[in-house]
Amino acid sequence: GQQVMQIPQYQHVQEGEDFTTYCNSSTTLSNIQWYKQRPGGHPVFLIQLVKSGEVKKQKRLTFQFGEAKKNSSLHITATQTTDVGTYFCAGGHNQGGKLIFGQGTELSVKP
Amino acid sequence: GAVVSQHPSWVICKSGTSVKIECRSLDFQATTMFWYRQFPKQSLMLMATSNEGSKATYEQGVEKDKFLINHASLTLSTLTVTSAHPEDSSFYICSARDRRTTNEKLFFGSGTQLSVL
Repeated sequence: GQQVMQIPQYQHVQEGEDFTTYCNSSTTLSNIQWYKQRPGGHPVFLIQLVKSGEVKKQKRLTFQFGEAKKNSSLHITATQTTDVGTYFCAGGHNQGGKLIFGQGTELSVKP
Repeated sequence: GAVVSQHPSWVICKSGTSVKIECRSLDFQATTMFWYRQFPKQSLMLMATSNEGSKATYEQGVEKDKFLINHASLTLSTLTVTSAHPEDSSFYICSARDRRTTNEKLFFGSGTQLSVL
């Protein structure tokens, strides 16, 4: 079936270091989304990527969608303690359809 | 921004009882809502897609008679865990998509922590 794999499962960094999480789908996606879930909270939408090879930036966050629309990455430059949480990618296969979530990457930042 | 209200936030019940969880989109209409289950430090596992005015679509391995979903209006979906058992203890979270936009993003409720004794 449709699967979305995400690595690493955990990442511990020193404040100021960079962080990257990777997402890989077994099938071609129509779109990929990224969510952040703070400890004890619910997932909050960060961004959606639709186009092949698309790159989007939000301040220190850079999101990429692969050329084949099967993989994606989220890169955070110079992490801060406020970046702590679990980052999930979620792949969609058709307009209005369900999203399949990756396993998530839990980021901890040591001040 | 769009808000999804989910309640109760937590519930403790005895084994064998049924529990109803409500998910409401407060300032938008949602023809489709999704129900997820999340175990500690794990991903969101899609249980079912709730469609307004029609039957829910369940994912493989999810018992439809165990997890009853009703989507009676464009702003409300309910999940009833029937005859709950300790193995049903989990964090259940709903999400909705605003039907007015072509954006695919989901708005999540705050989740319900279910503990079955």
